[in-house]
Amino acid sequence: DAGVIQSPRHEVTEMGQEVTLRCKPISGHDYLFWYRQTMMRGLELLIYFNNNVPIDDSGMPEDRFSAKMPNASFSTLKIQPSEPRDSAVYFCASSLHSSNQPQHFGDGTRLSIL
Amino acid sequence: ELKVEQNPLFLSMQEGKNYTIYCNYSTTSDRLYWYRQDPGKSLESLFVLLSNGAVKQEGRLMASLDTKARLSTLHITAAVHDLSATYFCAVALYGGSQGNLIFGKGTKLSVKP
Repeated sequence: DAGVIQSPRHEVTEMGQEVTLRCKPISGHDYLFWYRQTMMRGLELLIYFNNNVPIDDSGMPEDRFSAKMPNASFSTLKIQPSEPRDSAVYFCASSLHSSNQPQHFGDGTRLSIL
Repeated sequence: ELKVEQNPLFLSMQEGKNYTIYCNYSTTSDRLYWYRQDPGKSLESLFVLLSNGAVKQEGRLMASLDTKARLSTLHITAAVHDLSATYFCAVALYGGSQGNLIFGKGTKLSVKP
């Protein structure tokens, strides 16, 4: 299995620009999660989907953040407009519906907003 | 609100020594996960603990869960350099869905020769 695939791996952009992060979950997984990791705040859940439907977006920091999952094999996390404090590593993870299965993480996108 | 505390946050060990990382959580839970993260890399699942008294072992690592004490431990036996990484525990709210995972801040382990 290819695992969770994220793109891009690295993104450097200027403040105010739109940023789109992409994720392809493991085939057959019905849960998809977006996390943000920083030194100060650790690993934070932003939003998660079940069967392509957003279930909990209470972790999304502001209206500048939005996430979509148009089908079972693709999700995006968009930041518009971006700010320097959005700089972090963003992870996508997926899992099977069964509660005894762990979440499988992608390699992450390292985002730097200048 | 579910809170997850790991200690220690930093651990420097000599090769060959034993040590334990602790994960305490504040409310009832029926699932606990341990992950490993190498610098600049993703998180890798190590263990899934689903019941009181659950114990799982893989190589030099052994994880256990005491749901009554709200405590999980990750025990390292005869540490080797390859175990150097950051270890996270993640706790699920009791009866909650897959999404309700709260991660600890992580324990950064450094194993020195």
